[in-house]
Amino acid sequence: SQTIHQWPATLVQPVGSPLSLECTVEGTSNPNLYWYRQAAGRGLQLLFYSIGIDQISSEVPQNLSASRPQDRQFILSSKKLLLSDSGFYLCAWSFGGAEAFFGQGTRLTVV
Amino acid sequence: ILNVEQSPQSLHVQEGDSTNFTCSFPSSNFYALHWYRWETAKSPEALFVMTLNGDEKKKGRISATLNTKEGYSYLYIKGSQPEDSATYLCAPILTGGGNKLTFGTGTQLKVEL
Repeated sequence: SQTIHQWPATLVQPVGSPLSLECTVEGTSNPNLYWYRQAAGRGLQLLFYSIGIDQISSEVPQNLSASRPQDRQFILSSKKLLLSDSGFYLCAWSFGGAEAFFGQGTRLTVV
Repeated sequence: ILNVEQSPQSLHVQEGDSTNFTCSFPSSNFYALHWYRWETAKSPEALFVMTLNGDEKKKGRISATLNTKEGYSYLYIKGSQPEDSATYLCAPILTGGGNKLTFGTGTQLKVEL
């Protein structure tokens, strides 16, 4: 069966520090991969979307970047965090137009 | 950016009430419509994936309908229970978009005893 792993679960980082959040999927090949963020009091915003290795679409201009170095690995990064980067980050995968499956999320607090 | 609207933004109902909310999306280039339930401290979970105009799907006390020609879907909950309290999210998929899931802002439901 397919599983998705996302880590860490919580993270407190100072302003200006780098960020790396990792997400891996097991049990499937060539999935669509997503990074979402829920900022305080807001909905689930799509940040990045990938249909294959090194094929990444950025949905909103921001201080973040994403990479997909392997088929089932999706990494969210920042060189210098801002206070506004605080939020709840979710990784997800889907196959075709079928339902998406989400990781457990990372609560990021930038201080 | 895909415009997905959900209403109402939040809803408080009493246990046993029936309720419904709306998801509006562009009607052109429609491929599929997803509904998810997102409970506090958990990850979103899929409720329905709908593709056909006029489709109606049901899971227990929850059902959904789809109108692709006018670009909306309704989610109904019959006899709401406290465990139904969650944020309900919809996400349309358009053709040519590579199956990308863009969510609406959600409807936050609270069911009180």
